[in-house]
Amino acid sequence: AQSVTQLGSHVSVSEGALVLLRCNYSSSVPPYLFWYVQYPNQGLQLLLKYTSAATLVKGINGFEAEFKKSETSFHLTKPSAHMSDAAEYFCASLSGGYNKLIFGAGTRLAVHP
Amino acid sequence: DVKVTQSSRYLVKRTGEKVFLECVQDMDHENMFWYRQDPGLGLRLIYFSYDVKMKEKGDIPEGYSVSREKKERFSLILESASTNQTSMYLCASSESTGGAKTQYFGPGTRLLVL
Repeated sequence: AQSVTQLGSHVSVSEGALVLLRCNYSSSVPPYLFWYVQYPNQGLQLLLKYTSAATLVKGINGFEAEFKKSETSFHLTKPSAHMSDAAEYFCASLSGGYNKLIFGAGTRLAVHP
Repeated sequence: DVKVTQSSRYLVKRTGEKVFLECVQDMDHENMFWYRQDPGLGLRLIYFSYDVKMKEKGDIPEGYSVSREKKERFSLILESASTNQTSMYLCASSESTGGAKTQYFGPGTRLLVL
């Protein structure tokens, strides 16, 4: 069965440091992959998505992710963390028809001064 | 901008009550989804609908039902609420299939069943 694994339920970084959130997928076919962000007391908002057009995908708020088929990974990065990046981040994979998504368990990012 | 609204941000219900959660989208999307979100489990799909009056079970449909009488509205029903249904419920909508369509989410309803 298709699955999405996010390594690290909690990640803590200093303001200005590199952000790296890990996501691995399992799929027998080339996947469509997504990163969503959830700020406190809000719904999910799309950060970026991979649709096989380019392996390096740029999203909003300075985030980007690289699709690596050999590693079945789609890690999310940002060169310099801001306090406002503190949120929960979800990796997801398109699953079957009707645009259904399978989500990872989420990674909560804390940014400290 | 796509807007997905949910009828309540917070709800407190008693065990055995019938609970209705309402979701409305304003972008004429064909697909609508109900998820529950629990710490450490991410989002799990309860039900989805790809057209008016059409519905499909997701991964955890037990204890839930849904209704879609109008294209813009998708309701989640807990026939007899139980304490293990205490959770955050998120509604989403998207265009129909044909590539990786973005799902747009509502703000969520936090349900507490006592």
